[in-house]
Formats: sequence, structure tokens, C-alpha cells
Amino acid sequence: EAQVTQNPRYLITVTGKKLTVTCSQNMNHEYMSWYRQDPGLGLRQIYYSMNVEVTDKGDVPEGYKVSRKEKRNFPLILESPSPNQTSLYFCASSYRTGGILGTEAFFGQGTRLTVV
Amino acid sequence: KQEVTQIPAALSVPEGENLVLNCSFTDSAIYNLQWFRQDPGKGLTSLLLIQSSQREQTSGRLNASLDKSSGRSTLYIAASQPGDSATYLCAVIPDMRFGAGTRLTVKP
Repeated sequence: EAQVTQNPRYLITVTGKKLTVTCSQNMNHEYMSWYRQDPGLGLRQIYYSMNVEVTDKGDVPEGYKVSRKEKRNFPLILESPSPNQTSLYFCASSYRTGGILGTEAFFGQGTRLTVV
Repeated sequence: KQEVTQIPAALSVPEGENLVLNCSFTDSAIYNLQWFRQDPGKGLTSLLLIQSSQREQTSGRLNASLDKSSGRSTLYIAASQPGDSATYLCAVIPDMRFGAGTRLTVKP
């Protein structure tokens, strides 16, 4: 089954304690992206990756890091979480290039992060 | 960078009405456009994907159109029902840039 898997689904942590949210897709998609969603602000892009070892900043990259060492994985790293990073996070993937006219975007189930 | 705008931000209608949600984007060099539905605090459910070679796509009471040259897409919902109440989001693919969404309330 084609899917994007995020872990964990829920996380409560303390300020300053490094954490990683994992994202994995099984569709060989080139393009992956992270978002945060806050009430009234829609989905804001944090970082995206167009292929292995290629990452770029989205709209709200401050306080986050990502890596893309393998095509299937795109972890989101919070080196020193702060309360303003409390949010609902989504990972997504899609095709970017190729003979296929692009595919739909697939989303993970979301990670609800609370930083106290 | 691609900017996506959705109008209106919120919409409240009585049950049974036909309605149109709008999505506009600044860069017409997109592959596809995808519409999603999101219930409060939940994940995203894909509704329709319109490939760049298509002009519209239909699924049940939903019909989405795409006009790349003008940078617009519309989602048409026929005979709205209370169960349609949710936030509707559009995204351009492959950028996966989103609009802020339209929050729809359908009153019984």
C-alpha cells in the first residue's frame, strides 16, 4: 500500500530537548516536504527536498533541520525545541519529474507536538 | 516562489446549496493541482487531482476545474450536505504549496 508514515503521532517534550520526527515513503517519490499547521494559519512549509541530498528552506525554517540521505526518508529535527514550536506537523511526498505527468501528493497522518 | 490563494476564507451555506471554492496560483508552470479536505485536528484527505493536461475532474458531487493560463482552479460542490463541513485546501504539485484553505459550514 502506497503510504507516507510519520512517527511519532503524538509527542510531549520539554524545552531544549532535541527531538526527531521521522517520515518515510514507499513510493519512490523524489519530492518530500514538511509542514506545520497552526490554528488560522493553514499549512506552512518548513523545508522541502527535491531529491537525495537536495534540501531547501520553505516559509518557516527557523528552528528546524532536515536531512535527505535516502530517497525514502526525510526526518525533521528540532535541535532545541521551544514552546512556539508546539504545532501539528505533516510530512508529504510526490513525484517531481519524469515521464509521468506528476502524481498526487500523499500525506502522513500528522504528528502533534507539544513543547512545555 | 509559488503563491497559492484561496477565496473565500470561510463560507456558511444552508444544506442543499451548490457552491464554488476558488484557488489561484502565481506560477502556471505546475504539473498538477490537488484538492484536499481536512476535518478539525485531523489529517488531509485527497479529494481530486487534476493533471496539467486535463481541464476538469469529477468525483461524485465534486467537480474541480483547472485553467493553467489564468492560474485558477475551482472546486464545485453540488447539493451540499452538513457532512461536507470541513476545511478545503488546494495545493499545486509538485511544489506542494498550499492555500490557507476555505472553511466550509453547511447548516442543516
